[in-house]
Amino acid sequence: DAGVIQSPRHEVTEMGQEVTLRCKPISGHDYLFWYRQTMMRGLELLIYFNNNVPIDDSGMPEDRFSAKMPNASFSTLKIQPSEPRDSAVYFCASSRVPQGSGELFFGEGSRLTVL
Amino acid sequence: GQQLNQSPQSMFIQEGEDVSMNCTSSSIFNTWLWYKQDPGEGPVLLIALYKAGELTSNGRLTAQFGTTRKDSFLNISASIPSDVGIYFCAGSTNFGNEKLTFGTGTRLTIIP
Repeated sequence: DAGVIQSPRHEVTEMGQEVTLRCKPISGHDYLFWYRQTMMRGLELLIYFNNNVPIDDSGMPEDRFSAKMPNASFSTLKIQPSEPRDSAVYFCASSRVPQGSGELFFGEGSRLTVL
Repeated sequence: GQQLNQSPQSMFIQEGEDVSMNCTSSSIFNTWLWYKQDPGEGPVLLIALYKAGELTSNGRLTAQFGTTRKDSFLNISASIPSDVGIYFCAGSTNFGNEKLTFGTGTRLTIIP
């Protein structure tokens, strides 16, 4: 079975540019999560969706970040404008059950470098 | 907010050695999980624990849900090269939509 698919795997951009990260969750998973991983802060939950509806976006750093899930098989995380401090690995994860159960399936991540 | 402290931060061991790591919380958790992250990959769930005192094994890995509900332990027996990676504990206070808190990670390196 295909796992969570993320693209791009690597993105290098200049400060001020728009960045769009994409995610295809595992079919049948009703929950989708966007995490950010940095050395300083570890894994942080940015936002999660249940049945395509954003449930909790309190982890989104600021208005420059936005996420959408137009259908059950696709989600995007957009940063506009990007800044060097946004450099991190962004993970998408999906689950059949609420996150409290912890059974998340992660993608391989998108490594973002903002110059 | 909730914090999970993992120790040790890093370990350097020889192949064949047993490994022990732990995770402590400032508050009570009802779910404890252990994930492993290989270089360049996303975390993968190893073991999930849902009951205080629970001891669960997955091959050479054994994890325990501490009786105080504020800690968890992971042991790896007879380590092999593919055990290299970062091990994360994670926990939540309920099984619903409570946020999953991740620990700071333990980086395991095997010395040839």
